[in-house]
Amino acid sequence: DQQVKQNSPSLSVQEGRISILNCDYTNSMFDYFLWYKKYPAEGPTFLISISSIKDKNEDGRFTVFLNKSAKHLSLHIVPSQPGDSAVYFCAVTNTDKLIFGTGTRLQVFP
Amino acid sequence: DVKVTQSSRYLVKRTGEKVFLECVQDMDHENMFWYRQDPGLGLRLIYFSYDVKMKEKGDIPEGYSVSREKKERFSLILESASTNQTSMYLCASSFGLAGGQETQYFGPGTRLLVL
Repeated sequence: DQQVKQNSPSLSVQEGRISILNCDYTNSMFDYFLWYKKYPAEGPTFLISISSIKDKNEDGRFTVFLNKSAKHLSLHIVPSQPGDSAVYFCAVTNTDKLIFGTGTRLQVFP
Repeated sequence: DVKVTQSSRYLVKRTGEKVFLECVQDMDHENMFWYRQDPGLGLRLIYFSYDVKMKEKGDIPEGYSVSREKKERFSLILESASTNQTSMYLCASSFGLAGGQETQYFGPGTRLLVL
């Protein structure tokens, strides 16, 4: 049974608008949450993270929101740029091991 | 900056061959990981290691083994490659002494095709 779900396999957004990527998890014991970005034929690169003691973390155009009661995580990208087109993976953990979602492919068009 | 390197970007092997994938990290990280990435399945953990000569099975260890003789190097071995092991293989490392809540840093990946 999947512990981490990204229910939208793909998302298409116009340049300059907001991109919102979502992630749901099942286990309330997870206490650290991450987003990775992956271009084709490259390894994932770390984007942003949040600890369970917070509900928001911001880094430039990227903001991660955590709703612990709903077991829901989201990544907001504002404004979206064509270079943001990639696959985005959320990951959760409460140990040294990460559990990844299946990814959402974001396409930002002009 | 953390640097994780993988020995090959692309490999083509035949069914039954023994395959070695090498990974090296230069940040003195304790933990190292091997994943495979397949479309629609995300990243799945094959094996990980939290110390030299230590290894732990991940979620899909069947058909694989690992070796960690030195802290900076973690090898993934396919004892007898099969076509269902065609995939993108990703190595990662993390600091390992923070008791969880750690970021993993990934190498560029090795795309393996087994014919």
